Amino acid sequence: EIVMTQSPATLSVSPGERATLSCRASQNIGSNLAWYQQKPDQPPRLLIFGASTRATAIPTRFSGSGSGTDFTLTISSLQSEDFAVYYCQHYNNWPPWTFGQGTKVEIK
Amino acid sequence: QVQLVQSGAEVKKPGSSVKVSCKASGVTFSSYAISWVRQVPGQGLEWMGGIIPMFGKGNYRQKFQGRVTITADTSTSTAYMELSSLSSEDTAMYYCARGMRRGYLDDAFDIWGQGTMVTVSS
Repeated sequence: EIVMTQSPATLSVSPGERATLSCRASQNIGSNLAWYQQKPDQPPRLLIFGASTRATAIPTRFSGSGSGTDFTLTISSLQSEDFAVYYCQHYNNWPPWTFGQGTKVEIK
Repeated sequence: QVQLVQSGAEVKKPGSSVKVSCKASGVTFSSYAISWVRQVPGQGLEWMGGIIPMFGKGNYRQKFQGRVTITADTSTSTAYMELSSLSSEDTAMYYCARGMRRGYLDDAFDIWGQGTMVTVSS
């Protein structure tokens, strides 16, 4: 089973600032990585798939990069609605598809 | 409108089983994978298993093998997840989620159900 490790666990950022979230896979997953945003009492929302492609209706301030084992989600200028928990997930070849433990982006 | 609508919250006794449904509307159902993901309160996301309805065979995480059964009824566009031998550790929110591409189980999840809270308590 592939282990996904996210860092940091919590990121304190001021509105308007840039946020950089990291995700590392325990083995090569190519570009088979997704990022999700989850707010309290809501299901996750797909932000990025294929490591770098924004999902439908996702603002351009969200961008993804990386391949292989190291990935990054960048939020260029944090808006109030962006404070949430973010998860990465691999979907490379064989299950189980595993998620990182999450990064909470909180207001500084 | 594209959505997955899940059945309501359940309270179960230890040792019993629960069956959660996930009905698709406004989306093509039979050729897209439906996965089940659970989230223990305050914790992260865990993929349990999935199915491509037109193929009819569930694929399960080893941790849940023998305890979980995922099925789909293409005539009603509904997927089901049944979990047996429940314990307090199964208390969680259970989500269904759809894979993005036709015919692929290995995929990101672009549509999610609203979640079904299952509480296991004596």
